[in-house]
Amino acid sequence: DGGITQSPKYLFRKEGQNVTLSCEQNLNHDAMYWYRQDPGQGLRLIYYSQIVNDFQKGDIAEGYSVSREKKESFPLTVTSAQKNPTAFYLCASRRPGPRDGELFFGEGSRLTVL
Amino acid sequence: SQKIEQNSEALNIQEGKTATLTCNYTNYSPAYLQWYRQDPGRGPVFLLLIRENEKEKRKERLKVTFDTTLKQSLFHITASQPADSATYLCALGRLSGGSYIPTFGRGTSLIVHP
Repeated sequence: DGGITQSPKYLFRKEGQNVTLSCEQNLNHDAMYWYRQDPGQGLRLIYYSQIVNDFQKGDIAEGYSVSREKKESFPLTVTSAQKNPTAFYLCASRRPGPRDGELFFGEGSRLTVL
Repeated sequence: SQKIEQNSEALNIQEGKTATLTCNYTNYSPAYLQWYRQDPGRGPVFLLLIRENEKEKRKERLKVTFDTTLKQSLFHITASQPADSATYLCALGRLSGGSYIPTFGRGTSLIVHP
């Protein structure tokens, strides 16, 4: 079945540690996105990538880093510089073609900093 | 500043009635508007898309309207069912760096009572 796989689903981290969230898709989509969701807030864009080996900062990129070495993979690293990393992280992809194509989301990764 | 506003209060309705959710925006000129459904702890799922030159779209029990003069979209679910209970997110296509990036509102929680 085609889709987006995020792992791990739950992650606990101590303050000062970096952590990497995995996002893999087998939909053959070019564009991929990372969003952060906090309680009572909408999805806020962290980073996005329109094509392999290229990515752009979103609205809240500080304290995060990404890479896009393969079309299928778009991992997100939450660094120790991120002041409030506890949140629900969502990865999405979009098919090539129309500029208004729908997003396909993974099931999310919930990060808790202890 | 740019804003996407959805009712923060939950909408409670009785089964069989029509639910109407609102998405207002300011300082955007969106190319399109999308609606997604999100269940607790899950990733959003795409429901409907409406483009800037369209007034209304329908899909089964769902209807979306888009008024670019009022800067508002209305999302209707007719003959609502308890299974429709979820959070509904609107997303605008925002032009950024030559690409249209989906930008989300906070979402409105819908509760359908049997």
